[in-house]
Amino acid sequence: ETVMTQSPATLSVSPGERATLSCRASQGVAYSLAWFQQKPGQAPRLLISGASIRATGIPARFSGGGSGTEFTLTISSLQSEDFALYYCQQYYSWPLTFGGGTKVEIK
Amino acid sequence: EMQLVESGGGVVRPGGSLRLSCEASGFTFDDYGMSWVRQVPGKGLEWVSSINWKGFSIDYADSVKGRFNISRDNAKNSVYLEMSSVSAEDTALYHCVKLGVSAARSYMDVWGKGTTVTVSS
Repeated sequence: ETVMTQSPATLSVSPGERATLSCRASQGVAYSLAWFQQKPGQAPRLLISGASIRATGIPARFSGGGSGTEFTLTISSLQSEDFALYYCQQYYSWPLTFGGGTKVEIK
Repeated sequence: EMQLVESGGGVVRPGGSLRLSCEASGFTFDDYGMSWVRQVPGKGLEWVSSINWKGFSIDYADSVKGRFNISRDNAKNSVYLEMSSVSAEDTALYHCVKLGVSAARSYMDVWGKGTTVTVSS
């Protein structure tokens, strides 16, 4: 099983600042990496697939990078609606696995 | 608008069975793989099972293998999760998820709001 490890668990950021979230895979997953945003009481929303491809309707301030075992999600200038929980997920091999999440909170 | 609506959740006794359903709309259902993902409130996401567009490629998490069965009816734009021999560890919100391609292993691009399963005596 490919274990996905996200860091940090919590990220405190001021509105307008840049946030960088990390996701590490225990074995290589090529570019088969997705990022999701989840707000309280809502289903997760796809932000990024293929490690760096923004989903339809996702603002350009969200960008993904990396390949293999190291990945990042960058939010260039945090807006109030971006404070949420973020998950990474690999779909390179079975079983599909998610990271434990990073909570982005207001500083 | 693409939409997934789950149903069938409820309270079930340990060792019991339950069938979850998910009805899709707003896209060509039989072009895409589908998955079930569960989430314990306040906890993370756990993939449960996936099925490809035709239903001949299926996989399960080890935690449910042999107890859960995923299936789909493309004529009804629906995917199902048959749960049996449930235990307290199966208590969760179950999300139906559309995959990005026809295969069973892909990114998850549309999520339903979920249906809650509670295993309790």
